Parts: sequence; structure tokens; C-alpha cells
Amino acid sequence: KAGVTQTPRYLIKTRGQQVTLSCSPISGHRSVSWYQQTPGQGLQFLFEYFSETQRNKGNFPGRFSGRQFSNSRSEMNVSTLELGDSALYLCASSPRGLHEKLFFGSGTQLSVL
Amino acid sequence: EDKVVQSPLSLVVHEGDTVTLNCSYEVTNFRSLLWYKQEKKAPTFLFMLTSSGIEKKSGRLSSILDKKELFSILNITATQTGDSAIYLCAVGRASGGSNYKLTFGKGTLLTVNP
Repeated sequence: KAGVTQTPRYLIKTRGQQVTLSCSPISGHRSVSWYQQTPGQGLQFLFEYFSETQRNKGNFPGRFSGRQFSNSRSEMNVSTLELGDSALYLCASSPRGLHEKLFFGSGTQLSVL
Repeated sequence: EDKVVQSPLSLVVHEGDTVTLNCSYEVTNFRSLLWYKQEKKAPTFLFMLTSSGIEKKSGRLSSILDKKELFSILNITATQTGDSAIYLCAVGRASGGSNYKLTFGKGTLLTVNP
């Protein structure tokens, strides 16, 4: 079974731009979560999608948004990038009925200059 | 606000040593505590604990949860250089219906020197 796939692996943007990150979950997993990881704050929850619906949301500004498609693939978008958005963005999927057991992708390393 | 605190933040040991990593939490509607290992980018699942006092084991790694004192420990015996990683503790709570919410600690960076 293929793991969680995130693209792109690395991204460099400038302040004010927007970015879209993509995540393909493990086949059969319908829950997809997104996390931001920085050295100072650790892993912080962004949002979770299940069957194309946002089920949970963390404490991030509205510039961070996401969506899930009918094939469970998910995208997250960050608009009007700020320097502080530089981070590793991790996507995770989980099997039905075991939401806590997350299978993570290798992440997208975003640098905002 | 949910809180998960891991200690120590970093640790350097020699191969063969035994280490104990700590995780304490303050979470309402507790559902589970999980440990993950992050070597490069993708954290990988180690254990999920839901019941107090029951030890989970996998090879040289073991973990136990104390729901009364609100903490968990992760033990690694006979450490190897391949155990060098960030160890993440996460606590899940019920969040209405079948929803849950996971809160992660900042992690413990373990370095095992040969």
C-alpha cells in the first residue's frame, strides 16, 4: 500500500504570495489532517477533513484554508504569505474508526522570504 | 486550553543506555495518548494508550499511561544509534459526536552516540 504522498516537497515563496499544497492519503483512508511544524511551536493542528467536510479546525487565521475532494485527496492553501508561515506542513491520514492513529506524509517544507 | 508537556526537551546518551521520556497532559474529555517517532520528516506511530496501568511493548520500546496522575512515559532499553529521533507525545480528546482533537507536545530530541 502506498503511503501518504505530499507535493511539492520544498517550496520557496515571497511575502504576499499564496501557496497550495497537496496531499494524497493512503488508499481507503477518508480522514485527512493538516499540521504545521516549527521548531518553536512543535506540531500545531490546522484542520481535519472527512468525506469532503471540514470536521475540526485549529486556531489559525482565515488565510489558511483547505478542502477535500471526493477521492479523499486534500489541498491546503495559504494566502498572503507572511515570514512566520515558514514551516514544515505535514499531512496525515487515518483509517476509519481509528482517527488518532495518524499516518503522516513527509511534508512540504515552505520557506517564505 | 489543552496542554501537553514533554520532558526533557533534549537528551544525549550512549549506545546501550536506557532512557525514559516523559509526557504530562491537561486535557478535558481525554480519549487516548499516542507516541510518535520522527526521524527525518514523517512521524511514525509507536503506541496508542487508552487504559491506565497497562504497558504497551514493542521490542525495546515500552510505554505506560497513568490517567490519575495525567502522564505517560516512554522507555527505550539498550538504545541504538537508530533510535536517534524526535519523540512526540499527543493526546486525543473527544470533540463532539465522533470527532476528536489531537494536541501534540513539542517533542523530545533524543541523540544516541556510538
